[in-house]
Amino acid sequence: EAGVTQFPSHSVIEKGQTVTLRCDPISGHDNLYWYRRVMGKEIKFLLHFVKESKQDESGMPNNRFLAERTGGTYSTLKVQPAELEDSGVYFCASSLSRDRGGYGYTFGSGTRLTVV
Amino acid sequence: GENVEQHPSTLSVQEGDSAVIKCTYSDSASNYFPWYKQELGKGPQLIIDIRSNVGEKKDQRIAVTLNKTAKHFSLHITETQPEDSAVYFCAATMGGYQKVTFGTGTKLQVIP
Repeated sequence: EAGVTQFPSHSVIEKGQTVTLRCDPISGHDNLYWYRRVMGKEIKFLLHFVKESKQDESGMPNNRFLAERTGGTYSTLKVQPAELEDSGVYFCASSLSRDRGGYGYTFGSGTRLTVV
Repeated sequence: GENVEQHPSTLSVQEGDSAVIKCTYSDSASNYFPWYKQELGKGPQLIIDIRSNVGEKKDQRIAVTLNKTAKHFSLHITETQPEDSAVYFCAATMGGYQKVTFGTGTKLQVIP
């Protein structure tokens, strides 16, 4: 089966610009997560979708970040306007629902965002 | 919330030697502890996991131990090979589809 796909793989934008990251989860995975790793630190949770609904968005840093998952398929994460501290690697992951034995994520390769 | 600490941050071993990475967690409600390996340019990949009702789990050269009382868990890699070189992350979660709290990562270098 195809894995979790993220694009772009790299993005360099200027401070104040807008960037949209996209994630295509594994087909049939209801759960979709966004995580971020900044400057070699830990991988931090941003938010969790179950199908098209936001289950937990407690990790979203501020209102410059907007995540959507229309139709419960792919998801986008928009940063507007981008700030220098938003630089990092953004990972998307997906998993089966718990009642289908879902434990553990499958991660995408990430989008490396650099804000200059 | 949960806090996971991971040590060491870097680890160099000779090929064939063993490597041990240690983590502690703070929330006693956590009951699922996955370990991820991240190779350059790739996303983290689940390599082994352990649930709180188990003290040890082994898969070929990789083993994980869990001490619930002390809130410690460790990854053991035996007979290391150059392809084991990567960044390893420990993590803790209350399981199911709950969010996962990661450690800061250990960069393992296996020297041929």
